[in-house]
Amino acid sequence: SQTIHQWPATLVQPVGSPLSLECTVEGTSNPNLYWYRQAAGRGLQLLFYSVGIGQISSEVPQNLSASRPQDRQFILSSKKLLLSDSGFYLCAWSVKSGSGDTEAFFGQGTRLTVV
Amino acid sequence: AQSVTQLDSQVPVFEEAPVELRCNYSSSVSVYLFWYVQYPNQGLQLLLKYLSGSTLVKGINGFEAEFNKSQTSFHLRKPSVHISDTAEYFCAVSDPNTDKLIFGTGTRLQVFP
Repeated sequence: SQTIHQWPATLVQPVGSPLSLECTVEGTSNPNLYWYRQAAGRGLQLLFYSVGIGQISSEVPQNLSASRPQDRQFILSSKKLLLSDSGFYLCAWSVKSGSGDTEAFFGQGTRLTVV
Repeated sequence: AQSVTQLDSQVPVFEEAPVELRCNYSSSVSVYLFWYVQYPNQGLQLLLKYLSGSTLVKGINGFEAEFNKSQTSFHLRKPSVHISDTAEYFCAVSDPNTDKLIFGTGTRLQVFP
């Protein structure tokens, strides 16, 4: 069966420090991968979307970047964190359909607090 | 581009009462619609989805939703809620040309005894 691993679960980082959140998927190949950020009152904001290795679509301009070095690995990074980067980050995957007929499966999330 | 609006940020309701969580979408093309539930400090899980066919969709935990094309709505309903239904509920729409999922701002359902 398919599983998604996201770590760490919680993270407290000082302003200006780097960030690396990792997400891996098991039990499937060539998935779509997503990074979302959840902030209070703003719902889930799609940050990055990937359909394959090295293929990253950035949805909003921001202080973050994403990479997909392997088929089932998705990394969210920042060189210098800002206070506004605090939030709940969720990784998700879906089977590739290309038509929107797909279900997303979410990781347990990372609570990031920038201090 | 697709977008989703959830007008109610919070919905308080007593146990065993019916509930409706509202969702309206905007799209120039046909879309797929979803409802997800998020329990505290967890990821999201799918409640139900509308792809085509019958406009009334039944999901897990006794929830159902009705697709209304003329009103561009996809409201979620449950005839009798339980304390355990307390959670955040998200409506989402997917881009028909890709698999991008766009979410609404969420509705927090609070069920009181």
